[in-house]
This record gives sequence, C-alpha cells and structure tokens, in this order.
Amino acid sequence: GAGVSQSPSNKVTEKGKDVELRCDPISGHTALYWYRQSLGQGLEFLIYFQGNSAPDKSGLPSDRFSAERTGGSVSTLTIQRTQQEDSAVYLCASSPYNPTGSEQYFGPGTRLTVT
Amino acid sequence: AQKITQTQPGMFVQEKEAVTLDCTYDTSDPSYGLFWYKQPSSGEMIFLIYQGSYDQQNATEGRYSLNFQKARKSANLVISASQLGDSAMYFCAMRVWGGGNKLTFGTGTQLKVEL
Repeated sequence: GAGVSQSPSNKVTEKGKDVELRCDPISGHTALYWYRQSLGQGLEFLIYFQGNSAPDKSGLPSDRFSAERTGGSVSTLTIQRTQQEDSAVYLCASSPYNPTGSEQYFGPGTRLTVT
Repeated sequence: AQKITQTQPGMFVQEKEAVTLDCTYDTSDPSYGLFWYKQPSSGEMIFLIYQGSYDQQNATEGRYSLNFQKARKSANLVISASQLGDSAMYFCAMRVWGGGNKLTFGTGTQLKVEL
C-alpha cells in the first residue's frame, strides 16, 4: 500500500518568506507526527496529532511555526517569516492509534533551504 | 525528561561479520518502548525493531536483534552477517507511554560495511 508522502521534496525560499509543507499519512492512521532533522540539532519532535487535534505541540520552536490537520488525514506545517536556522529536513510520520508499541512510519521528508 | 545516548558516531564492519551499535537511555517512567531506525543516504527512515520495557525476551527481526539490558538501561542493536546494503545511519529512539506519543532520538551511528 501507499506509504507516507510529503511535498514538496525540496523547497528553497528566501529569508522572511512563508512556506507550507504537506504530509499525506498512511490511510487509516489516526496519529501524525512532524519532526525536524538538522545537522546541529539532530532529530527533533515538533508536533503530534491525534485525529485533527494536537495534544502535544511542545516541540514547535517558536510561534512562527504552526500546523494543522484536516479530515483526520492531510497535515500542513507552516513556517512564517522563515529564518536561516529553519533550514532542515522536515519529516512527517504516521501510526495507527496504539498507546503501546506501534512504530511510526516516516515519509521521505521535505528539505527546506532558507537563503 | 527522556534521553537517548549513542556514543559511536561512526562504525566500520567487514561484510558478513556481526556488529553491535550501542544505545543507552534515561527515563524515570517504567513504561516505555525502544525503537531502532535505519536511515540510508536516500534519507528515508526505516523501522527495524522494537522492544517494550515489559518484554521478557529480547526482540529479534531477521538479522537484527536487540540486546535489552533493563538494569543498565541499554538497548544495543546487533546486526548479524552484515551486508553492503546495511551501510547507513542508525538511530535509537524511545517513546514513553506517559509522555505523549513522540519519539526521542539519539544522535545516530554511521555504519559503513566494507568488503
């Protein structure tokens, strides 16, 4: 079956511009996660959705970052007024709702470069 | 707070040999899961193996096994009969059941399999 998909695969933007990153989870997966992978910080959790609700937003680095999920499916991560330190690979993952043991399935990521 | 430590930034192994990638973790929560993911140069995160904190036996998945030593808080990954395709970055991660659903990752170990 289809895995997690993300678009765009690469995004180059100028400092100060807004960007939107999209994630399509595996069909039927109720949990969705955003992570960021950068050279300096490694892999960091950003936000977790269960259905359309985000019970854990603790990893969002600033109020320039926001995310939403609609229809319990597609999610969009928005970064406003991008800064050079936002350059990273943004990974989306999904899993069936399972309080124990369920692995997260990752998408291929969006590589964001802020110039 | 949870923490994962991977002390081996890089490892080399000869083809067909076994290799152990180290992972130690820190949490005060008694209920948690430990995961290993592989990230080839193409960038996708591939789930390898899972160990729950209450599991009595070490997890195995094909050539992968997890050497779980709860008292020492270690969860080392053992890859048997290494293949050239095993060359990749390997991440240890933890999820604490009482701490939301996010994965906390270590910094990774770059494994290179040589002929």
